[in-house]
Amino acid sequence: AQSVTQPDIHITVSEGASLELRCNYSYGATPYLFWYVQSPGQGLQLLLKYFSGDTLVQGIKGFEAEFKRSQSSFNLRKPSVHWSDAAEYFCAVNAGNMLTFGGGTRLMVKP
Amino acid sequence: EAGVAQSPRYKIIEKRQSVAFWCNPISGHATLYWYQQILGQGPKLLIQFQNNGVVDDSQLPKDRFSAERLKGVDSTLKIQPAKLEDSAVYLCASSQHAGLYNEQFFGPGTRLTVL
Repeated sequence: AQSVTQPDIHITVSEGASLELRCNYSYGATPYLFWYVQSPGQGLQLLLKYFSGDTLVQGIKGFEAEFKRSQSSFNLRKPSVHWSDAAEYFCAVNAGNMLTFGGGTRLMVKP
Repeated sequence: EAGVAQSPRYKIIEKRQSVAFWCNPISGHATLYWYQQILGQGPKLLIQFQNNGVVDDSQLPKDRFSAERLKGVDSTLKIQPAKLEDSAVYLCASSQHAGLYNEQFFGPGTRLTVL
């Protein structure tokens, strides 16, 4: 069965600093990978997805993620964080038609 | 385009009571999902519908949870009787079709507190 691990429960960065959120997955075949963001009181919004091809994928709001098969990772990055990026971020893998989510990383942004 | 609608947004009940949540997916979306998100965890799929048929309910606790999508549009998730551990946010999502490539759009969720 597939699983997703997000090792960092909380991360705090200063506004304008770069960001990297870690995601490791376990799945026997080629995974379909996603990053979602959840703001307080809101549903999940898709940031980006990886199905195949170029391992560096661009998403909305200036986010990107890199798929590394050798490390079973799909880390999310942003070069310069804005205060509005404060939210919870979820990595997910889709296998067998079912989305499996990681536990999430809560991002706090310092002014 | 209107998003996924859910009601109520918040519900507080006592254990052993029953509760129902409603979801209206994006118009034209054939696939509807219900997720349970316990505080501090990622969402967990409870049930998936394709039109009015169940595709996957393997993680639905069927002794107390039930869900239906009678006309293939809106859906209701019911818990009867509720337990303390059912306290969570219940998210509804929809996609145009089932399958790996279809983006799921999420509603704002219903926050359930069981006392």
